[in-house]
Amino acid sequence: NAGVTQTPKFQVLKTGQSMTLQCAQDMNHNSMYWYRQDPGMGLRLIYYSASEGTTDKGEVPNGYNVSRLNKREFSLRLESAAPSQTSVYFCASSELKLGFYEQYFGPGTRLTVT
Amino acid sequence: AQSVTQLDSQVPVFEEAPVELRCNYSSSVSVYLFWYVQYPNQGLQLLLKYLSGSTLVKGINGFEAEFNKSQTSFHLRKPSVHISDTAEYFCAVSSFYNTDKLIFGTGTRLQVFP
Repeated sequence: NAGVTQTPKFQVLKTGQSMTLQCAQDMNHNSMYWYRQDPGMGLRLIYYSASEGTTDKGEVPNGYNVSRLNKREFSLRLESAAPSQTSVYFCASSELKLGFYEQYFGPGTRLTVT
Repeated sequence: AQSVTQLDSQVPVFEEAPVELRCNYSSSVSVYLFWYVQYPNQGLQLLLKYLSGSTLVKGINGFEAEFNKSQTSFHLRKPSVHISDTAEYFCAVSSFYNTDKLIFGTGTRLQVFP
């Protein structure tokens, strides 16, 4: 099993450009998440998907859109990138295990917006 | 709503010394508590968790944590650290009623020196 995979690993964008971050999991999990990690702020939830076809906003959704294409894939789109979106983005998936959802994380995408 | 406070942003320590990373939480309902570890340039992985039962929980790599309900704390400890423990450590909480959403602390960078 590859677990959770993310592409690309690194990306540099100019202000105003758009891009899509891809995430896929091969663990047959229903729930998937997108987080951003900024120094001194920990991980903050951007969007969440409880199952194929459903998405919900997290703590910091402004400037992002998501698409749960199927059970495996959950993409994050920046329509018009801004320097404030420079961050490391993590995708995660989870399963209900012994009464709680254990989250498994991908390796991250480091995005710089100039 | 829940919140997590990690009081120390950085903890330097020499190899083979004991270490404690502090975590306090706030919640109006019962919670589950977690510690995640992030090694350089990697995603997060679950170190240990408290769901119920014994307040002292043991995790991977010799780490343990103690849940203290009266002090709303969940401090992480290791009696003797190794260079390979150098990483960022995140405390996280989820509500008993909403276990698929995690709230993360801001992280503590553990730096182990030879």
